[in-house]
Amino acid sequence: DTAVSQTPKYLVTQMGNDKSIKCEQNLGHDTMYWYKQDSKKFLKIMFSYNNKELIINETVPNRFSPKSPDKAHLNLHINSLELGDSAVYFCASSQDLYGANEQFFGPGTRLTVL
Amino acid sequence: AQRVTQPEKLLSVFKGAPVELKCNYSYSGSPELFWYVQYSRQRLQLLLRHISRESIKGFTADLNKGETSFHLKKPFAQEEDSAMYYCALTRSGNTGKLIFGQGTTLQVKP
Repeated sequence: DTAVSQTPKYLVTQMGNDKSIKCEQNLGHDTMYWYKQDSKKFLKIMFSYNNKELIINETVPNRFSPKSPDKAHLNLHINSLELGDSAVYFCASSQDLYGANEQFFGPGTRLTVL
Repeated sequence: AQRVTQPEKLLSVFKGAPVELKCNYSYSGSPELFWYVQYSRQRLQLLLRHISRESIKGFTADLNKGETSFHLKKPFAQEEDSAMYYCALTRSGNTGKLIFGQGTTLQVKP
């Protein structure tokens, strides 16, 4: 049974479009995250939510808006897509905010902006 | 500033050879250190964390606060160890924020 799932797996779109990526976890975790992996495979945190509350916002452009309708879901909406947004976006979850907890990652969404 | 450095982008060894993937960190407080691994076509997953002091798949990592390092070691590499390895840091307490190194691709040749 999949623990952290993301849809879609691949997303190809034109510059200027608006798109969303969905994430769901069935682990009963309180905390969820979005990470961006660039072309050099560097992983950087973007956002974290704990029980639907925004905890971390890592100076991400406000074209990126996360939304957490409930603690099992954390979606990422991106407005006015730019070429530099092309990357792999990973969702993750952990039991809570305690730093030593394992984070469980989704399979990633490869976004290509043309 | 908090930073994690993995100086090797690619490490290539032969099967049976010892492996050491280097990780150095910069952090003024008490960090929690981790190694995450991504095998081909699989999702990123936790390999080990320093707080557990465990050996997973033959890998160990010791936190050296004096040298601010958390190198990952295995005495005899196996082909199935080929993967991308990320060292990561978070501060103790309730933040959940993981800071990753640049990653090292380990290639184990037959």
